[in-house]
Amino acid sequence: GENVEQHPSTLSVQEGDSAVIKCTYSDSASNYFPWYKQELGKGPQLIIDIRSNVGEKKDQRIAVTLNKTAKHFSLHITETQPEDSAVYFCAARKNNAGNMLTFGGGTRLMVKP
Amino acid sequence: DTEVTQTPKHLVMGMTNKKSLKCEQHMGHRAMYWYKQKAKKPPELMFVYSYEKLSINESVPSRFSPECPNSSLLNLHLHALQPEDSALYLCASSQPRQGAADGYTFGSGTRLTVV
Repeated sequence: GENVEQHPSTLSVQEGDSAVIKCTYSDSASNYFPWYKQELGKGPQLIIDIRSNVGEKKDQRIAVTLNKTAKHFSLHITETQPEDSAVYFCAARKNNAGNMLTFGGGTRLMVKP
Repeated sequence: DTEVTQTPKHLVMGMTNKKSLKCEQHMGHRAMYWYKQKAKKPPELMFVYSYEKLSINESVPSRFSPECPNSSLLNLHLHALQPEDSALYLCASSQPRQGAADGYTFGSGTRLTVV
């Protein structure tokens, strides 16, 4: 089955700096890669996603890049703000697995004011 | 309506109790999921319903019993739980197949404590 590794497990940055979270996946058949943000006491919320036919996608301060050859994808947050502090999960979905997701282990991002 | 609503938000139950968690969505999604999440861990899949039929049961103990009464509702019936079952239980919904709307929508979860 699919295996998704996520690094780092914790990340502390100063407000205004950039943050990068990286994930690798094992199954080359995976074709959809969402990122979720989970704030304390809430469920995960989809913040951005990318499909395997695209190398990069951007939405305001967040961007995701995908390297299919290396089987890794990354989340980039620029101009971080304290409200970006949360746990971030990456996930991957195989082409023939319906809409089933495999999650990475999560990254706790702390943005210091 | 773009939300998944879960009730109750918090639940404390004894090991001999029977309780139910409820989940509701009105986005027309035909796949619904139960996940269990322990502290500092990713969500762990328990059950998947696709078109109101149970399609995946990830070897979950029988003390957890899911039910999908219709396309908008998903229940999780709990009986004779153990303290290690204490966790955040998340419901999610999505379209059942890959396509333009791939993402999951998660509810806020039920924080369950078994005493």
